[in-house]
Amino acid sequence: SSELTQDPAVSVALGQTVRITCQGDSLRSYYASWYQQKPGQAPVLVIYGKNNRPSGIPDRFSGSSSGNTASLTITGAQAEDEADYYCNSRDSSGNLWVFGGGTKLTVL
Amino acid sequence: QVQLQESGPGLVKPSQTLSLTCTVSGGSISSGSYYWSWIRQPAGKGLEWIGRIYTSGSTNYNPSLKSRVTISVDTSKNQFSLKLSSVTAADTAVYYCARVADDYGDYYFDYWGQGTLVTVSS
Repeated sequence: SSELTQDPAVSVALGQTVRITCQGDSLRSYYASWYQQKPGQAPVLVIYGKNNRPSGIPDRFSGSSSGNTASLTITGAQAEDEADYYCNSRDSSGNLWVFGGGTKLTVL
Repeated sequence: QVQLQESGPGLVKPSQTLSLTCTVSGGSISSGSYYWSWIRQPAGKGLEWIGRIYTSGSTNYNPSLKSRVTISVDTSKNQFSLKLSSVTAADTAVYYCARVADDYGDYYFDYWGQGTLVTVSS
């Protein structure tokens, strides 16, 4: 089992807002990074640090953190946002890295 | 624009050693303060971090794989490599290499290779 816990699946109506969460003790001290993965493709970084988006990532993607929970929010979800989303941060030792189990986002 | 490309055998026999290489282009592997990492993903499952190497050559591994994994770097070829020994069918996965950057102590995988499927089978 992963030290970062994600809901296996989340759905959102087209154009609505959805929050994908990631829980873990290390998140009390470190920010998570978030990755979008579509079928047959490599993961793509969408959020890192406190709330930073790489060039080319739409501003409807945002990140936040509170206590032991990191969140990825998509404001106004689009059909192309349907994908698997993974969080990543340090493990409980603080020295290594770990991925969450992933959340499958369905846009209805 | 940094690009990474995995290469290596797509089929490995059980008990043998899996060997993959990641070739970095668009930048020097030894410049900047980056880690270089391997990640794998079995079919239909999530991402698993395997390990990392720093530009200095220091390494860290996932404890669940540590006894079987070696990551090394060849700066002259702008490559880093993965060796995983004593493989079983459970090691069948798509293997990705990635560059890891640092944002004030929070790390993130900013560039990824396209991934390469390695199947363990006799």
